[in-house]
Amino acid sequence: QQQVKQSPQSLIVQKGGISIINCAYENTAFDYFPWYQQFPGKGPALLIAIRPDVSEKKEGRFTISFNKSAKQFSLHIMDSQPGDSATYFCAAAKGGAQKLVFGQGTRLTINP
Amino acid sequence: DGGITQSPKYLFRKEGQNVTLSCEQNLNHDAMYWYRQDPGQGLRLIYYSQIVNDFQKGDIAEGYSVSREKKESFPLTVTSAQKNPTAFYLCASSIQAGVNTEAFFGQGTRLTVV
Repeated sequence: QQQVKQSPQSLIVQKGGISIINCAYENTAFDYFPWYQQFPGKGPALLIAIRPDVSEKKEGRFTISFNKSAKQFSLHIMDSQPGDSATYFCAAAKGGAQKLVFGQGTRLTINP
Repeated sequence: DGGITQSPKYLFRKEGQNVTLSCEQNLNHDAMYWYRQDPGQGLRLIYYSQIVNDFQKGDIAEGYSVSREKKESFPLTVTSAQKNPTAFYLCASSIQAGVNTEAFFGQGTRLTVV
């Protein structure tokens, strides 16, 4: 019930394309769903987060889509750029950042 | 600059030794966390602390110990009881465990057993 499953494990997208990463969770008590971006040798940084009372949140080229009934959420990166090449983690928690449960990560490569 | 400082960046440990990883934050955050990152497994919670002098075990606490004597400091000791300690260790903090609180991460410590 505590798991968050993330797919795909790796993703290659051409510059200008749309990158899509998916996550699924089991615990219906989760009410905070952040996405983190991590560059090699660095700590993760918050990219965007959503709560289950909205179905979509957009910040610049990054959009989270949330489907409460299916217990799924996804990250869309529009007009993907080489600088977006990083590892992306979805996560879930009950009550903000407390005890974040992370997905396995997706290594995204944007080809120029 | 406000943030989370982890030290050292790289650490080498011999078999049977205890080592302590440092984590300091000047964000005035109440909650602090330790995560372990292994390839292909995401981040897993080791310990977390919501207030000074109190901490709770996470999902993989065996072989680790922590202390929280000061609000800004949350050191992690990797003991000899941890059978597979080679990993990337990440410290994080948040204002307080609650609604819409963002977790901020340090730059990590890479521990290698030699």
